[in-house]
Amino acid sequence: GAVVSQHPSWVICKSGTSVKIECRSLDFQATTMFWYRQFPKQSLMLMATSNEGSKATYEQGVEKDKFLINHASLTLSTLTVTSAHPEDSSFYICSARGQGADTGELFFGEGSRLTV
Amino acid sequence: QQPVQSPQAVILREGEDAVINCSSSKALYSVHWYRQKHGEAPVFLMILLKGGEQKGHDKISASFNEKKQQSSLYLTASQLSYSGTYFCGTEIQGHSGAGSYQLTFGKGTKLSVIP
Repeated sequence: GAVVSQHPSWVICKSGTSVKIECRSLDFQATTMFWYRQFPKQSLMLMATSNEGSKATYEQGVEKDKFLINHASLTLSTLTVTSAHPEDSSFYICSARGQGADTGELFFGEGSRLTV
Repeated sequence: QQPVQSPQAVILREGEDAVINCSSSKALYSVHWYRQKHGEAPVFLMILLKGGEQKGHDKISASFNEKKQQSSLYLTASQLSYSGTYFCGTEIQGHSGAGSYQLTFGKGTKLSVIP
């Protein structure tokens, strides 16, 4: 099946620094990728929809300047948590649907655990 | 828009059956089911696209009642490996009748299978 890879799988950073998380579709082209955030024992909350070559669409309540998303190619989307603070500590998961797929399963990355 | 899942948690003995329900207040285009083990990413189980559709593989199946905007996941003869948190993800209908392409996940149902 299709593979989505996330990197890093975990990161510890100091307050005030920025952290970049990469999401790659390894064997298919993903025009759309989704970034989710998951707190312990809670559901996956959609943060934003990343569209290749255009601006990301953020969900209500998600700060665009805080969580920068770049989808520069059909196989790579990045999420940068800027000026991270302890409340940003969470499990961040990306997912992708293939190009041309009107509907289909989401392929999830392995997730990135951020500890600030 | 978040779908409502029930029950929140269930404990089964090996071999017992369970049903997990997912309901939405919006007209749905598709329903997805995923299972997540602790510390891991969710793993796809199945998609249901049409009203009244029922799918399944092995001893896990699901139904989708489009009119009621509900889906149910059926786990029969449960195995220890079934333990995990099950999430339904709903895709609402867009204006054109096609899917919105985004999935919104329920809060999850924690399933524990014990020997």
